[in-house]
Amino acid sequence: SAVISQKPSRDICQRGTSLTIQCQVDSQVTMMFWYRQQPGQSLTLIATANQGSEATYESGFVIDKFPISRPNLTFSTLTVSNMSPEDSSIYLCSAGGYQETQYFGPGTRLLVL
Amino acid sequence: AQTVTQSQPEMSVQEAETVTLSCTYDTSESDYYLFWYKQPPSRQMILVIRQEAYKQQNATENRFSVNFQKAAKSFSLKISDSQLGDAAMYFCAYRLGGSQGNLIFGKGTKLSVKP
Repeated sequence: SAVISQKPSRDICQRGTSLTIQCQVDSQVTMMFWYRQQPGQSLTLIATANQGSEATYESGFVIDKFPISRPNLTFSTLTVSNMSPEDSSIYLCSAGGYQETQYFGPGTRLLVL
Repeated sequence: AQTVTQSQPEMSVQEAETVTLSCTYDTSESDYYLFWYKQPPSRQMILVIRQEAYKQQNATENRFSVNFQKAAKSFSLKISDSQLGDAAMYFCAYRLGGSQGNLIFGKGTKLSVKP
């Protein structure tokens, strides 16, 4: 299995600012994903982070709002830009591992005031 | 489009008893994977068990087992000898086979374990 770490674990931000979340995997992986989880809800895929190319975004998510970087096979960042209270959520990073299984980071809890 | 349905928002089980969580899915594909993830209050998503669609044998992992009914598109999770640490949100998830498939999650079932 892959071990995934995320930084920061939580943050409180002011509206209009941006936050960058880092995701580090302990081994090289092909696929990395970013999810959003509203309190008490299921996970919604934001985008697939592709190494060496632009991320692939799901419907309802745009690059200007959620720019993603994937500089190598073990690291990715998600930026939440121009934040509003509606962006308050848990953001989870995951990585595709052996035999199609995805492993998850511990998540970043974001509160926007 | 693929969908995953968990019809039980909440379930409760007595410690040491057995509980079954339901999951159904809809797909027209033949190559896919199914998963159960556990998310305790700490929010870390933990893989509980996985099932390859091409395998007829139901997956087991210690106290956790699945009942995979491919024709019925059903994928239930049975937890035997429930423990207090099993209390969590449980998510059923589907993934299309191949390198491009992302996970599609159900809405989750909150499991409580009573001492």
